[in-house]
Amino acid sequence: AQSVAQPEDQVNVAEGNPLTVKCTYSVSGNPYLFWYVQYPNRGLQFLLKYITGDNLVKGSYGFEAEFNKSQTSFHLKKPSALVSDSALYFCAVSLNTGFQKLVFGTGTRLLVSP
Amino acid sequence: IAGITQAPTSQILAAGRRMTLRCTQDMRHNAMYWYRQDLGLGLRLIHYSNTAGTTGKGEVPDGYSVSRANTDDFPLTLASAVPSQTSVYFCASSASGSAPDTQYFGPGTRLTVL
Repeated sequence: AQSVAQPEDQVNVAEGNPLTVKCTYSVSGNPYLFWYVQYPNRGLQFLLKYITGDNLVKGSYGFEAEFNKSQTSFHLKKPSALVSDSALYFCAVSLNTGFQKLVFGTGTRLLVSP
Repeated sequence: IAGITQAPTSQILAAGRRMTLRCTQDMRHNAMYWYRQDLGLGLRLIHYSNTAGTTGKGEVPDGYSVSRANTDDFPLTLASAVPSQTSVYFCASSASGSAPDTQYFGPGTRLTVL
């Protein structure tokens, strides 16, 4: 069965500093991996996804994520955090076969302080 | 603006009552999904539909039913609401339903069952 772990409930970072939000996954085949962001009282917004190829994926709002197959990780990163990046971030995984069912992590709250 | 709309935005419901959450998309996506979001559990798939006329069960389908009479609409019905169904409900859609399609989310419905 597929599963996703986001080991940190909350990440705190100062504005201008780099940020990392961690995600590890478990699947029996080759994964597709996604990051979504949720602002207060809003739906989830797609940030980026890994399909195949280059392990570094670039997405919206300056975010990027690095796929590491040996460590089964897909950490979200940004070189310089903004206060407006403060939100809830979800990692999700699906298998690359058949009808897509996303399995989500429990979410990590990112708090960027001025 | 193209996207997904959900109604109502929020609802307080007495236990035992029937409730239908509405979801409409105007992107002509084939696949649609219903998730519930609970604190500490992330998003869990309730039901899905990979094309009009077909539906399937997700991770937590008990107590919920769906229908897909046309491409645009995917209502979720609680036949007899219980307090454990208090949650935030998100509808999503994707173009084909096949991995690695990106799923796009509606703004959500906050449901409280008393």
